[in-house]
Amino acid sequence: AQKVTQAQTEISVVEKEDVTLDCVYETRDTTYYLFWYKQPPSGELVFLIRRNSFDEQNEISGRYSWNFQKSTSSFNFTITASQVVDSAVYFCALSDDQGGSEKLVFGKGTKLTVNP
Amino acid sequence: GAGVSQTPSNKVTEKGKYVELRCDPISGHTALYWYRQSLGQGPEFLIYFQGTGAADDSGLPNDRFFAVRPEGSVSTLKIQRTERGDSAVYLCASSPGNGGDTQYFGPGTRLTVL
Repeated sequence: AQKVTQAQTEISVVEKEDVTLDCVYETRDTTYYLFWYKQPPSGELVFLIRRNSFDEQNEISGRYSWNFQKSTSSFNFTITASQVVDSAVYFCALSDDQGGSEKLVFGKGTKLTVNP
Repeated sequence: GAGVSQTPSNKVTEKGKYVELRCDPISGHTALYWYRQSLGQGPEFLIYFQGTGAADDSGLPNDRFFAVRPEGSVSTLKIQRTERGDSAVYLCASSPGNGGDTQYFGPGTRLTVL
């Protein structure tokens, strides 16, 4: 069965600190896709990154970086030099092709608070 | 370009009433998804359309919930005999329709059942 676990419910940091959000997933498929979304207080889910199961290269986009490790079924997200505007709930999600559905399975989210 | 839009943004209804929630996907996106998000939880899948047909409705909680997409664009989620437990944010997303595509979400409809 598909499952996404975000063990950290809430994280609080001070501005300029680095922070890593953990994501562990389960799937029986060999082809799957992993995503991170940001949900600021306004409520709308904002897409951050998509990674397919065949591409284990880490990715960096500005202050954001992602570490995909198939050996540990993890897809962790790091924010470098955090800012107050990074405060949000962050969701990790998985999509595979079980049953022909393209649905996303989400973790419970990690609420990040960046204090000035 | 325009993103996914949802109307209404807020809906307050009384227990037992019927409600309809509308989703307008990104133009050209053939895949459309409905999710439900309760407070403090991640979104939970309800139903997935590919074109006009429901390709996966396994997430609909019971037969009070129904969704349509008659022309392959706009979709309506319909809830009959609403219950207080139906209160949540209902999210719609769309994607181009190829496997593993990124899903882009609308702002959601907050449904409150009194």
